[in-house]
Amino acid sequence: DSGVTQTPKHLITATGQRVTLRCSPRSGDLSVYWYQQSLDQGLQFLIQYYNGEERAKGNILERFSAQQFPDLHSELNLSSLELGDSALYFCASSVGAGGLLNEQYFGPGTRLTVT
Amino acid sequence: AQSVAQPEDQVNVAEGNPLTVKCTYSVSGNPYLFWYVQYPNRGLQFLLKYITGDNLVKGSYGFEAEFNKSQTSFHLKKPSALVSDSALYFCAVRDMNRDDKIIFGKGTRLHILP
Repeated sequence: DSGVTQTPKHLITATGQRVTLRCSPRSGDLSVYWYQQSLDQGLQFLIQYYNGEERAKGNILERFSAQQFPDLHSELNLSSLELGDSALYFCASSVGAGGLLNEQYFGPGTRLTVT
Repeated sequence: AQSVAQPEDQVNVAEGNPLTVKCTYSVSGNPYLFWYVQYPNRGLQFLLKYITGDNLVKGSYGFEAEFNKSQTSFHLKKPSALVSDSALYFCAVRDMNRDDKIIFGKGTRLHILP
């Protein structure tokens, strides 16, 4: 158990819809990272927040957005969903703003299925 | 259980020389293999992947990797290193026969010396 929690575990929705994924970092961690894992691309970094501020941006689509709240939990919003958005979405957290993988603690993921 | 090992914590290479970052894996079925790079203060970035086909896979930034089934290895290579290649490199494996999360190695820090 990494201490990072993600809800929901599974989500099934239709094309065109909007969903929100939630992540609670480990106690004391200020950074939250979002990743998308698909069969063909492996793990792709989407975005990082540090203490409420956007820190780094990766391959995040304009249809996707995220935020980190004062209590440090984070939400990833996915809108106008397409079939290709079906994937496993991971959240990770770390203490600092930088992030070695061995210092990033991954949550169990949310499996999104778009039908 | 599937696993991936990167035996070197750090690799130092002079600029212009060829570089190799080693990775070995263990899976019960056929592997999906990946290399990722992490620059300071950034998340992981995808470099290349092997799923099937040609054992030599070409990826981003001039990197390539060679899949060797008999040695269960997937070493990352580049013919001529650049200082800007200095970063943390992660090998990852996913067992094609299992719906598991991808497993990452611990990472190898690559230092390219000017």
